[in-house]
Amino acid sequence: EVQLLESGGGLVQPGGSLRLSCAASGFTFSSYAMNWVRQAPGKGLEWVSVINAGDDGTYYADSVKGRFTISRDNSKNTLYLQMNSLRAEDTAVYYCAKTGGAYYYDPMDVWGQGTTVTVSS
Amino acid sequence: QTVVTQEPSLTVSPGGTVTLTCASSTGAVTSGYYANWFQQKSGQAPRALIYSTSNRHSWTPARFSGSLLGGKAALTLSGVQPEDEAEYYCLLYYRGAQLVFGGGTKLTVL
Repeated sequence: EVQLLESGGGLVQPGGSLRLSCAASGFTFSSYAMNWVRQAPGKGLEWVSVINAGDDGTYYADSVKGRFTISRDNSKNTLYLQMNSLRAEDTAVYYCAKTGGAYYYDPMDVWGQGTTVTVSS
Repeated sequence: QTVVTQEPSLTVSPGGTVTLTCASSTGAVTSGYYANWFQQKSGQAPRALIYSTSNRHSWTPARFSGSLLGGKAALTLSGVQPEDEAEYYCLLYYRGAQLVFGGGTKLTVL
């Protein structure tokens, strides 16, 4: 069974940093592109970032470009999101989502349960 | 800034049929936008339903179908069940690897 388990969320002050992790199991992690998607309280979904399977391409939403960095460790079956210079508007549940192929344009299929990030003083 | 627009809310009777749409501020939605549809029930993570406009995932019930309709992506639910009450989001893929979700449609089954 494909499983994605996010962790690393919490309360952080504006301007602070946080690193999210997504532990994957039940599939060959290194073969699939992975996404981060967030959802602010009471709001809709917002795509954040995607990384190709071979770590040969990373892409970001304009709202996080230059502040967030997506990465992966295929030896640990883990996806990461390093978030710097955090703002109140980054407050959200962050989901990782597997795609059905190796590249950013492959469709998302399985989602984790999410981890909550709160940016507040 | 690219905006993807969905109906904020729709209501359907059990057993009925309803169509949700997804429009792009850049113009007509075509197959090149690889429209995806997701379902999110209250308090749960999203679940993928449709990819590349009209392809169901292996777990997607046959009553869900995707298409292009009048320059928009569309999700049609036929024979709606009470458990279909949820928020539905479309996702479009743009040049430069920009993925944009619609604002979501809250579907009420009443």
